[in-house]
Amino acid sequence: AQSVTQLGSHVSVSEGALVLLRCNYSSSVPPYLFWYVQYPNQGLQLLLKYTTGATLVKGINGFEAEFKKSETSFHLTKPSAHMSDAAEYFCAVTLRQGGKLIFGQGTELSVKP
Amino acid sequence: EAGVAQSPRYKIIEKRQSVAFWCNPISGHATLYWYQQILGQGPKLLIQFQNNGVVDDSQLPKDRFSAERLKGVDSTLKIQPAKLEDSAVYLCASSSNIHPGSITDTQYFGPGTRLTVL
Repeated sequence: AQSVTQLGSHVSVSEGALVLLRCNYSSSVPPYLFWYVQYPNQGLQLLLKYTTGATLVKGINGFEAEFKKSETSFHLTKPSAHMSDAAEYFCAVTLRQGGKLIFGQGTELSVKP
Repeated sequence: EAGVAQSPRYKIIEKRQSVAFWCNPISGHATLYWYQQILGQGPKLLIQFQNNGVVDDSQLPKDRFSAERLKGVDSTLKIQPAKLEDSAVYLCASSSNIHPGSITDTQYFGPGTRLTVL
């Protein structure tokens, strides 16, 4: 069965610093991978997704993630953090399009001025 | 286009009471999902509909939870009777899924209903 592990339930960075949120997955077949962001009292919004093709995926708000099969990882990065990036971030996996998403436990990102 | 709508946004009930949540997906979306998000955890799928048929309800506690999607559009999720551990945010999502395998089949989430069981 597939699973997702997000390393670090809380990450704090300074404004302008690099953002790195870690995600490792477990899957017996090539997965589809997603990053979602959740602002307080709101639903989840898709940041980016990997299905096939290029392993470096660019998303909204300057975020990107790289699928590394050998490391079973899909870490999320952003070169320069902004105060508006403060939110909860969820990594998710599914084995097929339209299938259920298996979420990690989430990482809360704080951005200090 | 309008997003996924959910109501109510907040609900407080006492244990053993019943409660119902409503979801209106994005127009034309064939697939609808209900997720449960307990505080500090990622969302967990409860049930998935394709049009008005159930695709996956393996994690739905069927002794107390029920869901329906009449006419393949709106959906309701009911809990009866509620337990303390049902306190969570209930998220509804939808996707077009017209062409299975299409990379455009993103799941779009509503704002959720926060349930507190006292």
